[in-house]
Amino acid sequence: QKEVEQDPGPLSVPEGAIVSLNCTYSNSAFQYFMWYRQYSRKGPELLMYTYSSGNKEDGRFTAQVDKSSKYISLFIRDSQPSDSATYLCAMRAGNQFYFGTGTSLTVIP
Amino acid sequence: ETGVTQTPRHLVMGMTNKKSLKCEQHLGHNAMYWYKQSAKKPLELMFVYNFKEQTENNSVPSRFSPECPNSSHLFLHLHTLQPEDSALYLCASSQDNRQGPHNEQFFGPGTRLTVL
Repeated sequence: QKEVEQDPGPLSVPEGAIVSLNCTYSNSAFQYFMWYRQYSRKGPELLMYTYSSGNKEDGRFTAQVDKSSKYISLFIRDSQPSDSATYLCAMRAGNQFYFGTGTSLTVIP
Repeated sequence: ETGVTQTPRHLVMGMTNKKSLKCEQHLGHNAMYWYKQSAKKPLELMFVYNFKEQTENNSVPSRFSPECPNSSHLFLHLHTLQPEDSALYLCASSQDNRQGPHNEQFFGPGTRLTVL
């Protein structure tokens, strides 16, 4: 079983839609949860960094962590064509980082 | 730009070649990381350095040899690679290697490596 599961998509939505991206995990030792955005031919860029269960909001982005279900989500409100990218979830336990495979998102104008 | 630069951006090498990848960070960080990103696979953490000392080596084959001469520079020396080593190699840095908020990783743009 993979440490982190993420649907690779691709996901295609119209501009202005609410986007929901999700990851599940199996290791209850994970304590820090991250979402990265990766544009083509670029390195990953950190979007959200959360600890423990709950919600964290930053502009149009909301990250949710449900440790009891081992499930994390990233919501993008009022999606824009510039949000078209691959979104990676990541988790940390000690000095080890585990990433999902990434979900490819296209926002159509 | 994130403050982490990588050179070269693209590299094509034969299986008998020796080459090196370079990473430099201008963020004043003390921890640096090498990752491998292959198509349709998760990022794989390869090596971690904290204050120039290697703290993690995730069972990486010896044909990959890291070097960290100081906290700002990280190298990945490559020799006798295999075609399956073709991937995007990403460097990242963080304040140090402890867990905690405000200690997130900043990634460079990567080196696209092709092994023929």
